[in-house]
Amino acid sequence: GAVVSQHPSWVICKSGTSVKIECRSLDFQATTMFWYRQFPKQSLMLMATSNEGSKATYEQGVEKDKFLINHASLTLSTLTVTSAHPEDSSFYICSAKVQGRMNTEAFFGQGTRLTVV
Amino acid sequence: GEDVEQSLFLSVREGDSSVINCTYTDSSSTYLYWYKQEPGAGLQLLTYIFSNMDMKQDQRLTVLLNKKDKHLSLRIADTQTGDSAIYFCAEGVSGGYNKLIFGAGTRLAVHP
Repeated sequence: GAVVSQHPSWVICKSGTSVKIECRSLDFQATTMFWYRQFPKQSLMLMATSNEGSKATYEQGVEKDKFLINHASLTLSTLTVTSAHPEDSSFYICSAKVQGRMNTEAFFGQGTRLTVV
Repeated sequence: GEDVEQSLFLSVREGDSSVINCTYTDSSSTYLYWYKQEPGAGLQLLTYIFSNMDMKQDQRLTVLLNKKDKHLSLRIADTQTGDSAIYFCAEGVSGGYNKLIFGAGTRLAVHP
């Protein structure tokens, strides 16, 4: 159990377009999901915390108008990279906490590799 | 602020033990975690330790926690080639939504 699925696994888009990445909890409900960004050979940087039914909480330095997060249901959060530029190319990973469970474990998706050309 | 540091690279011979070290700064962290990431994949939780514990053992994995020095280590016994990956240390920051702060990751290379 506790599977988190991201879609797509990889995407290539043209500069100036928008890309949506989905993060789904397949067999549990997740009131809170986290979005991370990982540059090559670097750590995961938390971008924002996504809460079902409310606005996301963004980390300092992350542009909320550029990285739109929607957490419309207990099993789905989406990250939209708007007006993408080559510097947005990165590996984006989401994680989800099981509703009602203490934070002993966060389950991670397999990641989405975004390449902006 | 919160910060997690770990060495970037470790090379070991197959069958030897691997020890990956990590230091963190938030003394109020409730849980500390070790994650494994294989190339192009997401993160897999290996183990975690509650902050009031000194040691936790799970099969080939042993986690040691020195809370006074804010030092965490992961020992992998009988390291195999399949253990080659990047290992991330993370601290659970208390308050709010209990977000995780990750270290830069230690790349473990296992050679014959």
